[in-house]
Amino acid sequence: NAGVTQTPKFQVLKTGQSMTLQCAQDMNHNSMYWYRQDPGMGLRLIYYSASEGTTDKGEVPNGYNVSRLNKREFSLRLESAAPSQTSVYFCASSEGGAAGEETQYFGPGTRLLVL
Amino acid sequence: GQSLEQPSEVTAVEGAIVQINCTYQTSGFYGLSWYQQHDGGAPTFLSYNALDGLEETGRFSSFLSRSDSYGYLLLQELQMKDSASYFCAVIRDDKIIFGKGTRLHILP
Repeated sequence: NAGVTQTPKFQVLKTGQSMTLQCAQDMNHNSMYWYRQDPGMGLRLIYYSASEGTTDKGEVPNGYNVSRLNKREFSLRLESAAPSQTSVYFCASSEGGAAGEETQYFGPGTRLLVL
Repeated sequence: GQSLEQPSEVTAVEGAIVQINCTYQTSGFYGLSWYQQHDGGAPTFLSYNALDGLEETGRFSSFLSRSDSYGYLLLQELQMKDSASYFCAVIRDDKIIFGKGTRLHILP
């Protein structure tokens, strides 16, 4: 039982390049999330998927797109990377039951540097 | 609004007790969670309070007062391994909103 996995662990991009961050969970969770974490800013929600087939914007969605490929996988795409997107990206999942009864399980993170 | 306020840093001595406060302003509030994050690691869940009062889990306890829009995390018998950042988070609808985190420094 691996929990939440993310690939890649590290990535360096040049401005304007595109890439997709992959996330998978093996806990049969309904909800999945993408966060970015910058120094002194805590965790900020980019996009989330409350259930398979649905996605919604979070606090900072601009410059990103997501795909809930199936119940297990939730990918984050940067179409044209910018230096402001240099950050640590965390994927998380939760059971998605009654509102408020949510424990989120986080992946190990992807460290992205955009030059 | 959905702002959360928590101190940016707290320092305590090994073996002591420390309290990390969190105040929030949010509509549609369901509950307050706490997460721990060590340097270079991922956040991990510590506790959740939906109702007023104290929840205890080993050396860690969490408190919520809905009428005061206030909660805290209490860490007892501090150990060096407790050096980490601690985030409060409010649960609203299907989403969690995180505070900016409190860095806990522990002195030997």
